[in-house]
Amino acid sequence: DTAVSQTPKYLVTQMGNDKSIKCEQNLGHDTMYWYKQDSKKFLKIMFSYNNKELIINETVPNRFSPKSPDKAHLNLHINSLELGDSAVYFCASSHKRLTSGRLDEQFFGPGTRLTVL
Amino acid sequence: GESVGLHLPTLSVQEGDNSIINCAYSNSASDYFIWYKQESGKGPQFIIDIRSNMDKRQGQRVTVLLNKTVKHLSLQIAATQPGDSAVYFCAESADEYGQNFVFGPGTRLSVLP
Repeated sequence: DTAVSQTPKYLVTQMGNDKSIKCEQNLGHDTMYWYKQDSKKFLKIMFSYNNKELIINETVPNRFSPKSPDKAHLNLHINSLELGDSAVYFCASSHKRLTSGRLDEQFFGPGTRLTVL
Repeated sequence: GESVGLHLPTLSVQEGDNSIINCAYSNSASDYFIWYKQESGKGPQFIIDIRSNMDKRQGQRVTVLLNKTVKHLSLQIAATQPGDSAVYFCAESADEYGQNFVFGPGTRLSVLP
């Protein structure tokens, strides 16, 4: 029944490894996002994606790449993990209003806490 | 760059009192604002939103006020309850489709018994 789900909830890995975080939404939304929340609770958008367009925050290193196998999934791949990648990563989704083209509120997943050792 | 920030990082209120959480934004082009609540160990949850053509919007026990002149946003919670304890974020968007939200640093609200 979970609207936006992420796996794993916790991920501990060594520096230099490659890892993926999965996200699925069952809300029928057409736009999905990835956010990074640092230790000070600051939330920063990394990507927004729908079946037409990927918008990348220019500050995100190219070691991070979103991959969407279908409309309900947006996975986050991270290559060559660094210590500074340690954070909580949130997936979110929203629906685009047909009338205005504006996006509605975002529904967030429970987060994935990534720890890089 | 443009930013969204909060005046107070922490706020403690007595149960039953009203809470006011403030947010300042600097992007005068922002036209859509959202307040989110994040409980410990969970993702942010939508509380209420407001568009720039409004200056006030009310929900259940919550009211958002927008002052575009001074670029200020506030969230008022009436009769604060223990379940209101959380970190509250304001977020703003200025792009055409409201895709890219900029979040403020958050205010932790603690409700005292």
